[in-house]
Amino acid sequence: QVQLVQSGAEVKKPGASVKVSCKTSGYTFTTYLIHWVRQAPGQRLEWMGWVNAGNGNTKYSQKFQDRVTITRDASATTAYMDLTNLSSEDTAVFYCARTPAAGPHWFDPWGQGTLVTVSS
Amino acid sequence: EIVLTQSPATLSLSPGERATLSCRASQSVSRFLGWYQQKPGQAPRLLIYDASNRATGIPARFSGSGSGTDFTLTISSLEPEDFAIYYCQHRSDWPLTFGGGTKVEIK
Repeated sequence: QVQLVQSGAEVKKPGASVKVSCKTSGYTFTTYLIHWVRQAPGQRLEWMGWVNAGNGNTKYSQKFQDRVTITRDASATTAYMDLTNLSSEDTAVFYCARTPAAGPHWFDPWGQGTLVTVSS
Repeated sequence: EIVLTQSPATLSLSPGERATLSCRASQSVSRFLGWYQQKPGQAPRLLIYDASNRATGIPARFSGSGSGTDFTLTISSLEPEDFAIYYCQHRSDWPLTFGGGTKVEIK
């Protein structure tokens, strides 16, 4: 079955960077986009951006554009989200999720989530 | 960006009752609106896509309706496992955005 398995929880200091991985299986990796979504405590879900697993193209939300880089390793069927200059606002659960490369963009399924805690 | 507003924020109901959740978009999203369910400690799960289509494996007690700017998720008869937070999301344009959620709690 389709699975997206994320890396474990991280604790980072303000100003640091974090890299979260999303290992996929059970489907043809290169025909999908992998998205990243942030869920901060008490806040709504926020779409951060996607990587096209086939060609590596990316698209980012303007809110995160200056700080996020999403990449993939097709040979490892894994996507990565790198977020720099962390602040307390980035204390959140980060999810990866897939959608077909040509759409429609409904997130199904999601990874289990990775908690990132930013604290001095 | 398109802002999605969900109401009510909390819905207190008993098992067996009908739940009606609303999602309003700041501009038309046609029928490009979906619904997710999230339980504590879990990732969201897709329930409804394109306003009224149930995702694979979703029970028939979940239904969606609406178009343009006003959408509804209805749970016809609440089961114990349905008490959770529900989010709407559009796919009309970039950026994709989500509503603030409706928590369905046991009365």
